[in-house]
Amino acid sequence: AQSVTQLGSHVSVSEGALVLLRCNYSSSVPPYLFWYVQYPNQGLQLLLKYTTGATLVKGINGFEAEFKKSETSFHLTKPSAHMSDAAEYFCAVSENTDKLIFGTGTRLQVFP
Amino acid sequence: DAGVIQSPRHEVTEMGQEVTLRCKPISGHNSLFWYRQTMMRGLELLIYFNNNVPIDDSGMPEDRFSAKMPNASFSTLKIQPSEPRDSAVYFCASSPTGQSPLSPLHFGNGTRLTVT
Repeated sequence: AQSVTQLGSHVSVSEGALVLLRCNYSSSVPPYLFWYVQYPNQGLQLLLKYTTGATLVKGINGFEAEFKKSETSFHLTKPSAHMSDAAEYFCAVSENTDKLIFGTGTRLQVFP
Repeated sequence: DAGVIQSPRHEVTEMGQEVTLRCKPISGHNSLFWYRQTMMRGLELLIYFNNNVPIDDSGMPEDRFSAKMPNASFSTLKIQPSEPRDSAVYFCASSPTGQSPLSPLHFGNGTRLTVT
């Protein structure tokens, strides 16, 4: 069965610092992988996705993620954090069905 | 495009009462999903519909929960009777093409349910 593990329920960084949010997945077939972001009192929005092809995926707001099959990872990064990046981030996996399985989320705090 | 519309935004009810959550998906979207979000369990898929037909309800916690989609523009999630452990934020989401994980989910703003 497919699953997602997000290491660290809370991550704190200073404005301008590197953001690294970790995601490992389990899947019996080549997966589709996603990162969603949730701002307070809102639903989730798609940040980026990996389907096939290039393993480095660029998303909105300067975020990117790299699919590493050997490590079963899909970590999310951003070179320089901005105050507006403070939100909760969810990694998700899909095995070619309509169903997305989400991780438990990582709350990102950005300090000035 | 108004996005996915959920109502009410907040619901406070007493244990044992019936609760109905409502969702209007984006027009033209074929798939509709109900998720529950809690601190302990994160975001859980409860049920999803494709072309108004329930495809997978394996995430529905128990018989107290039921969901319907009478037409392409409306869905309900009902809890009867409600219990304090049902307190959570319930999200509805829709996607444009039913059989592809490549279609992003569009989420509503959620209904925050509190059962006392």
